[in-house]
Amino acid sequence: GAGVSQTPSNKVTEKGKYVELRCDPISGHTALYWYRQSLGQGPEFLIYFQGTGAADDSGLPNDRFFAVRPEGSVSTLKIQRTERGDSAVYLCASSLTVGDEQFFGPGTRLTVL
Amino acid sequence: DQQVKQNSPSLSVQEGRISILNCDYTNSMFDYFLWYKKYPAEGPTFLISISSIKDKNEDGRFTVFLNKSAKHLSLHIVPSQPGDSAVYFCAARNAGGTSYGKLTFGQGTILTVHP
Repeated sequence: GAGVSQTPSNKVTEKGKYVELRCDPISGHTALYWYRQSLGQGPEFLIYFQGTGAADDSGLPNDRFFAVRPEGSVSTLKIQRTERGDSAVYLCASSLTVGDEQFFGPGTRLTVL
Repeated sequence: DQQVKQNSPSLSVQEGRISILNCDYTNSMFDYFLWYKKYPAEGPTFLISISSIKDKNEDGRFTVFLNKSAKHLSLHIVPSQPGDSAVYFCAARNAGGTSYGKLTFGQGTILTVHP
């Protein structure tokens, strides 16, 4: 079946702009995770959802970052007033339920000029 | 505060030989450990895992060893194949609570297997 998909694959924006990154999890997976990977580093946890609710958002760096999953499937990561330091690959993963194997999407490469 | 560390940025081995990738952690609340493999322009894919109640888990050519007292784990690949060339990430998960779903990753080790 289809894996986790993320759109867009690449996003270039200017400092101060607003961006939205989309994640389509594997069908039937109730848990969804967002990570951010900077160059030369491992993925860094941002937030995860169990169903529609954010179970742990402790990794969001500041209040410019927000994520939603209104119907318990697709999720959108929203970044306001982007800064150059936000440039990274944003990875989404899903699992059947929390604690199960996480399947990752290919990521969205965000570049803030 | 890097709670999961992979101190070797890269490793180069000959095809057919053993590859040993190392990982250290500091958080005693971690109870489950995983290795992920990542190719360029793709997301990480799960390779093998180990629970803190075990000290070894084997799956084909891949074996993970856990030394809880030293807070150290290693991934052994034998025999190594050129297709194993990728970035390998060690990851750890908390025992429970709201952070149960969160994985904490190391920085990664680039493995190159030469034919």
